[in-house]
Amino acid sequence: QSALTQPPSASGSPGQSVTISCTGTSSDLGYYNYVSWYQQHPDKAPKLLIYEVSKRPSGVPDRFSGSKSGNTASLTVSGLQAEDEADYYCSSYAGSNNFAVFGTGTKVTVL
Amino acid sequence: QLQLQESGPGLVKPSETLSLTCTVSGGSISSNSYFWGWIRQPPGKGLEWIGAIYYKGSTYYKPYLKSRLTISVDTSKNQFSLKLSSVTAADTAVYYCVRHTTASYYSDYWGQGTLVTVSS
Repeated sequence: QSALTQPPSASGSPGQSVTISCTGTSSDLGYYNYVSWYQQHPDKAPKLLIYEVSKRPSGVPDRFSGSKSGNTASLTVSGLQAEDEADYYCSSYAGSNNFAVFGTGTKVTVL
Repeated sequence: QLQLQESGPGLVKPSETLSLTCTVSGGSISSNSYFWGWIRQPPGKGLEWIGAIYYKGSTYYKPYLKSRLTISVDTSKNQFSLKLSSVTAADTAVYYCVRHTTASYYSDYWGQGTLVTVSS
């Protein structure tokens, strides 16, 4: 099972929007609507941002939104803030022997 | 508030067994709504799910690790554990224990992570 494909980096100025893509296959991301996104600051544990493609846990700002079309999911961060500078990982369920296949990770820089 | 805390040696010799325990506080591990899993991250690299367990003992392993991996649960202590045998330098990573929902498998709670280095 290969990792999902994400761009290595993305950037934007404060207040702008940035969208991160995540491409999988018809066996994982394209088959299940169990796509989640995680934010990881340096030397910290990942934090859940989005689950089931587009749902936000309590406490996650609505500046973060998710979507999916076919084998590609996307995370959009609107109104970029300095604290959004972090690594972002997508993930998809891929069966009982792979609860989470992760993306390659995208480093978001706030210019 | 649910908390997960990993514990175990930070240094393991090649060919030996890596053993970690995750202690769950603020909630019961004996819930039919969750699996309890392990995810690792080699230094400077991405995340890798390696396995999970249900409180009744059912286990789910990444296929290529299955021959070396054992995950167990102790409901009386609200803990679950990982053992990875015959380790090599490739197993050096930060190991996170996590809670997965049974509904859609995302990881809603993570431990802080513990770095395990495989070196002689």
